Amino acid sequence: NAGVMQNPRHLVRRRGQEARLRCSPMKGHSHVYWYRQLPEEGLKFMVYLQKENIIDESGMPKERFSAEFPKEGPSILRIQQVVRGDSAAYFCASSPPFSRAPQETQYFGPGTRLLVL
Amino acid sequence: AQSVSQHNHHVILSEAASLELGCNYSYGGTVNLFWYVQYPGQHLQLLLKYFSGDPLVKGIKGFEAEFIKSKFSFNLRKPSVQWSDTAEYFCAVNALYGNKLVFGAGTILRVKS
Repeated sequence: NAGVMQNPRHLVRRRGQEARLRCSPMKGHSHVYWYRQLPEEGLKFMVYLQKENIIDESGMPKERFSAEFPKEGPSILRIQQVVRGDSAAYFCASSPPFSRAPQETQYFGPGTRLLVL
Repeated sequence: AQSVSQHNHHVILSEAASLELGCNYSYGGTVNLFWYVQYPGQHLQLLLKYFSGDPLVKGIKGFEAEFIKSKFSFNLRKPSVQWSDTAEYFCAVNALYGNKLVFGAGTILRVKS
C-alpha cells in the first residue's frame, strides 16, 4: 500500500524559472494538502484541495503560486518566476474522505526540496 | 487564529534518559492534536493523535502524550529514549471540523549513545 508520493525529491531552479511539484495521494484518499517548511521553521499550511476543487487557499501567497488537483493525475503545486525566498521543503499530505468521524489524519509525503539559485 | 508553541528547539539527552517535549496551543474551541516525527532524511510520520476520549494517548515506539485542556497543553513523553529516537518532533493542531494543520516550530532531539 504505497504512501503519499512526491516528485521530484529535489529540484534546483534559477531565479525567474518555473517550479512544478507533484503529489500523488495515498490510494483511496481524495483530499490533498500542501505545506511549506522554511529553514528553522515548522510547516505552514498553504492550500487544501479535493478533486477539481480548491477548498481553502488561505495560506497561499497571492502571486506566483497556484495549485490544482485534476480529476485524473497528481496534484500540482506550481510556482512561477521563482525567487530565492521560495527555497524551502514543500510537503504534500493526503487524507481519506470524511466519513463518520469529523476528522481524518493527514499522511505526509517525503517532500520536495526546492533550491532557487 | 490558532498557534502552537514548542518550548525547546534543541534537546540533547543520553540514552535511557526520560523525555518530555512541551507543546502548548492557543485556540478557544475544540481541537484535534497530533505529534509527528521526522527522522533524518525521511518524511513526517504520525506518532500519535488525540481526537476525544482518554486524554492520555499512547502512540508508536513507546511514546505517549497527555492532553490537559485547562493548560492548553499536549506534552509528549517517553520514559527511556534510545539513540534511534534522534529526530525532529512536531506538535500540530487543527480545529474540530477544520482541515489545515497548524504546526509548532519543531524540537530537534539528539540522543547520545
